[in-house]
Amino acid sequence: LAKTTQPISMDSYEGQEVNITCSHNNIATNDYITWYQQFPSQGPRFIIQGYKTKVTNEVASLFIPADRKSSTLSLPRVSLSDTAVYYCLVLITGGGNKLTFGTGTQLKVEL
Amino acid sequence: NAGVTQTPKFQVLKTGQSMTLQCAQDMNHNSMYWYRQDPGMGLRLIYYSASEGTTDKGEVPNGYNVSRLNKREFSLRLESAAPSQTSVYFCASGENFRGNEQFFGPGTRLTVL
Repeated sequence: LAKTTQPISMDSYEGQEVNITCSHNNIATNDYITWYQQFPSQGPRFIIQGYKTKVTNEVASLFIPADRKSSTLSLPRVSLSDTAVYYCLVLITGGGNKLTFGTGTQLKVEL
Repeated sequence: NAGVTQTPKFQVLKTGQSMTLQCAQDMNHNSMYWYRQDPGMGLRLIYYSASEGTTDKGEVPNGYNVSRLNKREFSLRLESAAPSQTSVYFCASGENFRGNEQFFGPGTRLTVL
């Protein structure tokens, strides 16, 4: 099963913009890309979802290039409370469609 | 609304024992999912139910069985637990399979000795 890969970790300071990329070469052609946030000892929580181009909500933006083989989660002006692990979730083709979480990115925000 | 609830919260089993993890949602969602998350790792899909009456294998189904009891409830059974099944198990639900936001339960922390 093709992996859906993300950087292992990222460090930032409060007030900065953070961009986290997910690589998903075998993404299904007709499904969404979804991003989640997870704090220790909790289940993941939905952040944003998109199909193509750009999507923005009150907490984040999601950028998806035309080939959809990657996606970038953008968090504007992060704060300490954004310290968490971030995952992308996609439907991967090849050997049947499989719903697959990315490898996860640990974001650490400091003062 | 309670959202997605899971029981038990913690469980310790001996190798070879069986148990069933329970999951229920009160959001009238069609789809339900079971994931496992090993320490320091990402989530992997075990089984899912796209709609009431259907179940399908995910990425890591071996050693597990599931039952979609009704629209609200989706259980995960370990017939003969193994130490490799030590993990945190998350249940989730979503309005529809593929392309929709999933709501996760608080998880069940399972240790198999």
